[in-house]
Amino acid sequence: AQRVTQPEKLLSVFKGAPVELKCNYSYSGSPELFWYVQYSRQRLQLLLRHISRESIKGFTADLNKGETSFHLKKPFAQEEDSAMYYCALSRSGGYQKVTFGTGTKLQVIP
Amino acid sequence: NAGVTQTPKFQVLKTGQSMTLQCAQDMNHNSMYWYRQDPGMGLRLIYYSASEGTTDKGEVPNGYNVSRLNKREFSLRLESAAPSQTSVYFCASSDPTGANVLTFGAGSRLTVL
Repeated sequence: AQRVTQPEKLLSVFKGAPVELKCNYSYSGSPELFWYVQYSRQRLQLLLRHISRESIKGFTADLNKGETSFHLKKPFAQEEDSAMYYCALSRSGGYQKVTFGTGTKLQVIP
Repeated sequence: NAGVTQTPKFQVLKTGQSMTLQCAQDMNHNSMYWYRQDPGMGLRLIYYSASEGTTDKGEVPNGYNVSRLNKREFSLRLESAAPSQTSVYFCASSDPTGANVLTFGAGSRLTVL
């Protein structure tokens, strides 16, 4: 079974402070990992995925297969980063189901 | 390009009533999904359809049925609504290139009294 764990329901940081949103997964095969974000009154949308290894809005995430983690990081938090963040997992290959974690609410304090 | 469209946006039902949530996508995606979002529970997969003509149960399928009417449309039916089904429901679809990247609808807020 595939499972995603986000241990923090709420993470509060001051503007300009570093951010790390934790994500651990359980899956025996070759996973695809994603971070999705939901800003207030907006639709859930993809933030980044491990395959593309890119930085979006200053966020990065590295897949650590040894620790089965995919933590989301940003060196300097901005107020506009306040949102709900979900880590998600699927099997590699197309047409797979996608499993989400319970989400972490990031609150950036001005 | 509307993306993923869900109807209705809001619905209030009484216990035991039935209703269908509609979802349509215009991106030629093969796979479609229904999730429910509850505080502290995140997004939980109810059903998904990997491609037209197939449907599979997710984590929380009890009390729901789905129909993949054609490639564009994937509906979710509550035959006899219960208060535990009060939630926000999201439909999503994923592109056919194999990346499993989801495009979400705006959500449908359902309250069962």
